[in-house]
Amino acid sequence: DAMVIQNPRYQVTQFGKPVTLSCSQTLNHNVMYWYQQKSSQAPKLLFHYYDKDFNNEADTPDNFQSRRPNTSFCFLDIRSPGLGDAAMYLCATSREGGGQPQHFGDGTRLSIL
Amino acid sequence: QKEVEQNSGPLSVPEGAIASLNCTYSDRGSQSFFWYRQYSGKSPELIMSIYSNGDKEDGRFTAQLNKASQYVSLLIRDSQPSDSATYLCAVISSNSGYALNFGKGTSLLVTP
Repeated sequence: DAMVIQNPRYQVTQFGKPVTLSCSQTLNHNVMYWYQQKSSQAPKLLFHYYDKDFNNEADTPDNFQSRRPNTSFCFLDIRSPGLGDAAMYLCATSREGGGQPQHFGDGTRLSIL
Repeated sequence: QKEVEQNSGPLSVPEGAIASLNCTYSDRGSQSFFWYRQYSGKSPELIMSIYSNGDKEDGRFTAQLNKASQYVSLLIRDSQPSDSATYLCAVISSNSGYALNFGKGTSLLVTP
């Protein structure tokens, strides 16, 4: 009965080869988030969608893009992955924004060869 | 200046004891505070949320918030080895929009 589902759990790609990570939710939450977490570091927000409205964090590299075709799905596209993009990518949702709790999926661990 | 500070630990407590985890934050306008548990290689799992001064209890967990001191803590009673994990304090600051500002986490080890 997983509520925030990320696929795949592990992804290996080559340096510079585009990759897409996916997230789906059964909670019908309005807000979906993508976080990047590198080893021994705290998660860092890349961007979020409030419904269809996209919000990019100021320091998110242009290499990272996102799509939310409907309420349930959100995708993270990395156009030209570099070695520094190897990390755990976490999708989260909240019913509304602001102070509401965010619920995380199991994450996708991305490795770059 | 880091916005959310936690002692990285490791904090080691014997099974059955109370574990006390602490967090300070810099933005006095922060209104929403969360504790997440993260096992190695796994994603963060929400343990507690707290929004007003005082204590909030949920089972073996108690969150404490003191906005005047800009301090939030998590107490774990009757600690179990399965509680061994990294505990992340997260704050939604007045200037962070929707972003959870995480501390770097405190590693807790509960020894049998």
